[in-house]
Amino acid sequence: GAGVSQSPSNKVTEKGKDVELRCDPISGHTALYWYRQSLGQGLEFLIYFQGNSAPDKSGLPSDRFSAERTGGSVSTLTIQRTQQEDSAVYLCASSFWGNSNQPQHFGDGTRLSIL
Amino acid sequence: SQQGEEDPQALSIQEGENATMNCSYKTSINNLQWYRQNSGRGLVHLILIRSNEREKHSGRLRVTLDTSKKNSSLLITASRAADTASYFCATDLSYNTDKLIFGTGTRLQVFP
Repeated sequence: GAGVSQSPSNKVTEKGKDVELRCDPISGHTALYWYRQSLGQGLEFLIYFQGNSAPDKSGLPSDRFSAERTGGSVSTLTIQRTQQEDSAVYLCASSFWGNSNQPQHFGDGTRLSIL
Repeated sequence: SQQGEEDPQALSIQEGENATMNCSYKTSINNLQWYRQNSGRGLVHLILIRSNEREKHSGRLRVTLDTSKKNSSLLITASRAADTASYFCATDLSYNTDKLIFGTGTRLQVFP
């Protein structure tokens, strides 16, 4: 079956531009997570969705970052007025339901480079 | 600060040797998971251990959990070149099981 799909796989953009990153979770998974991974580092939690609701947005670094999820499926992460420090790999994961006793299934990420 | 931190940060071994990675965490947990990440790819779930479990096995993987020391270890036996990857532990918080907090990872290099 299809895994978690993220698009684009790579994005290069100029400082100050807005970007949208997309995540298609595994069908039937109610929980969806966004993480950021800087080069050679661990994962930084950004936001978590249960269905279309985001009970935990605590990891969003600034108000330039926002995310939404529609139809309990696809999610988009939007970064407005990008800065060079936003350069990183953005990973999306889904799980059957949002609990730490469930494995998370990851996409291969979007590598974002801000020039 | 990170809930989980892996040790060592990097490990190089020869094929056939065993690899041991440790994960230290700060606060009480309900569940701890281990993941691997190949270069340029997403993370892949390896094994989950609950706070009331002390040891779990999956193929060549052995995970232990010591809640009194707030430490877990991942042992890969008879390593192969294909085991070359970064390995991360992830924990919840005892009061919040909605999300996982990932450690900083151990980069494992297995030489043929």
